[in-house]
Amino acid sequence: GENVEQHPSTLSVQEGDSAVIKCTYSDSASNYFPWYKQELGKRPQLIIDIRSNVGEKKDQRIAVTLNKTAKHFSLHITETQPEDSAVYFCAASIKGNQFYFGTGTSLTVIP
Amino acid sequence: DSGVTQTPKHLITATGQRVTLRCSPRSGDLSVYWYQQSLDQGLQFLIQYYNGEERAKGNILERFSAQQFPDLHSELNLSSLELGDSALYFCASSVGEAGGPGEQYFGPGTRLTVT
Repeated sequence: GENVEQHPSTLSVQEGDSAVIKCTYSDSASNYFPWYKQELGKRPQLIIDIRSNVGEKKDQRIAVTLNKTAKHFSLHITETQPEDSAVYFCAASIKGNQFYFGTGTSLTVIP
Repeated sequence: DSGVTQTPKHLITATGQRVTLRCSPRSGDLSVYWYQQSLDQGLQFLIQYYNGEERAKGNILERFSAQQFPDLHSELNLSSLELGDSALYFCASSVGEAGGPGEQYFGPGTRLTVT
């Protein structure tokens, strides 16, 4: 089955700096890669996603890049703010079935 | 509010017991997914249903089972509970488009504590 690895497990940045979280996947059939933000005790919420026919997608301060050949995708958050502090999960899915999640990155933005 | 509801919010039970967790998807969503999130762990995909039929299976134990009913709500049954089953159980739903994956909306979760 699919195996998703996520790094780093913890990340601290100064407010205003950029944060980058990287994920790799193993199954070349995976074609949908969402990113979720989960605040303590709350549900995961989708922040951005990318499909395998696209190399990059941007939404304001958040961007995701996908390298299908290398089987890795990354989340980029620019101009970080304290409210960006949360756990971020990447996931890989085959056609919307069997979503496999990374182990999460705890991001702390220091004011 | 994602539109996905889960009941109960909290559940405390003893080892060896059986519990049922319930999920109602967003209106119009045909796919339901179940996940387990243990303390300080990521989300483990358990099982997916689409319009009443099992679509995909992940790391679901044999002691666990699920089903999706004609009204599209879903239940996750956990039996012969062990201490290690204590976790937050999330349900998510999506439209489940045939042409490709859609956004998953997560419910608030059910926190299960096995004592």
